[in-house]
Amino acid sequence: AQSVAQPEDQVNVAEGNPLTVKCTYSVSGNPYLFWYVQYPNRGLQFLLKYITGDNLVKGSYGFEAEFNKSQTSFHLKKPSALVSDSALYFCAVRLFHQTGANNLFFGTGTRLTVIP
Amino acid sequence: SAVISQKPSRDICQRGTSLTIQCQVDSQVTMMFWYRQQPGQSLTLIATANQGSEATYESGFVIDKFPISRPNLTFSTLTVSNMSPEDSSIYLCSVQEKPYEQYFGPGTRLTVT
Repeated sequence: AQSVAQPEDQVNVAEGNPLTVKCTYSVSGNPYLFWYVQYPNRGLQFLLKYITGDNLVKGSYGFEAEFNKSQTSFHLKKPSALVSDSALYFCAVRLFHQTGANNLFFGTGTRLTVIP
Repeated sequence: SAVISQKPSRDICQRGTSLTIQCQVDSQVTMMFWYRQQPGQSLTLIATANQGSEATYESGFVIDKFPISRPNLTFSTLTVSNMSPEDSSIYLCSVQEKPYEQYFGPGTRLTVT
């Protein structure tokens, strides 16, 4: 089945340290991958996407993600974490159907806590 | 990106009643989506609503329970009918703007008692 997986429910990191939020995918064909962030009591915000091209994708708020085809991964990274980065992060893959329709399928989410 | 607003932002409803959630976008968009996020869970697509056609529902969701209207390119409603406590969730409206990029409204937090 086509999907994405986020193996960690919770990630804790000290402020100023680099952070990584993991995502692996399982799709047929070329994957269209996305990261979203959800702050408390707010909707989802788009961070970045990988469609094609450079494996290192830069997004909003200093985040970046690295597409690794051999490891089927799309981990989210930031060189120096801020307390304000504490939020719920979702990896997603766009699924294409034989009908021509397509939709986003979301991972289960990873709660990032940055400790001052 | 498009600015998406939802009304109401939250509501507490009694079981057996219905609630209509409104989604307004500040620009014309072809594809709109409705998602549900149950407490502590990820997002699940309820249906895709394109203007001028019937909404397309995902497996496990039916029109009688979640009727959707899409009268124009900037507006849509989702009704949660005959509610039960299991319908307590955050309901999110989403639009596809740039190719393959989706943006989300702030959500409607529904509690059914």
